Amino acid sequence: AQRVTQPEKLLSVFKGAPVELKCNYSYSGSPELFWYVQYSRQRLQLLLRHISRESIKGFTADLNKGETSFHLKKPFAQEEDSAMYYCALKGGGYNKLIFGAGTRLAVHP
Amino acid sequence: GAVVSQHPSWVICKSGTSVKIECRSLDFQATTMFWYRQFPKQSLMLMATSNEGSKATYEQGVEKDKFLINHASLTLSTLTVTSAHPEDSSFYICSALEGFGYEQYFGPGTRLTVT
Repeated sequence: AQRVTQPEKLLSVFKGAPVELKCNYSYSGSPELFWYVQYSRQRLQLLLRHISRESIKGFTADLNKGETSFHLKKPFAQEEDSAMYYCALKGGGYNKLIFGAGTRLAVHP
Repeated sequence: GAVVSQHPSWVICKSGTSVKIECRSLDFQATTMFWYRQFPKQSLMLMATSNEGSKATYEQGVEKDKFLINHASLTLSTLTVTSAHPEDSSFYICSALEGFGYEQYFGPGTRLTVT
């Protein structure tokens, strides 16, 4: 079964601390994974995609097929990073996305 | 960038009535649109996928006769909640794919309250 698991509902850190938001997936084929972010009172937007292997707003995520993980990392958190983060797996037909439960990141001054 | 709008942003209706929610891609053509439902403090649950000019594909457990989806053009998809009940109260979000791209562009959502 296709599934995305984000084990932490809330991650609370201080400004400047490293951040790692965990994401594990279950998928029988070759996965395509994404991180979406939702800032307060804003719509969901794409943060990054594993295929592009780029860093967006200081965030990176590496696909680890052995551990079936796609953790999101940032070395030094900023207050403006506070948001809801969703890991998503593209699976099935029509490019549909399967979302994890989401992790709320709270960065304190 | 690509923008998706939803209308209305908030609607209250009485139990037993129907309500229509529109999803529009404002500056691109969307061959595929998706409808999600989000309960408070929960993740997005995909309800259905709609392709312009063809019938929507519903996810398991979603009643197609209750949640009618029409993708009439490359810029408009509608979700009609028929005979709404209080348990249908939720946040409904649509997204759209531009052409054969990979990125889904999300609308701001519509909050439905059924009294």
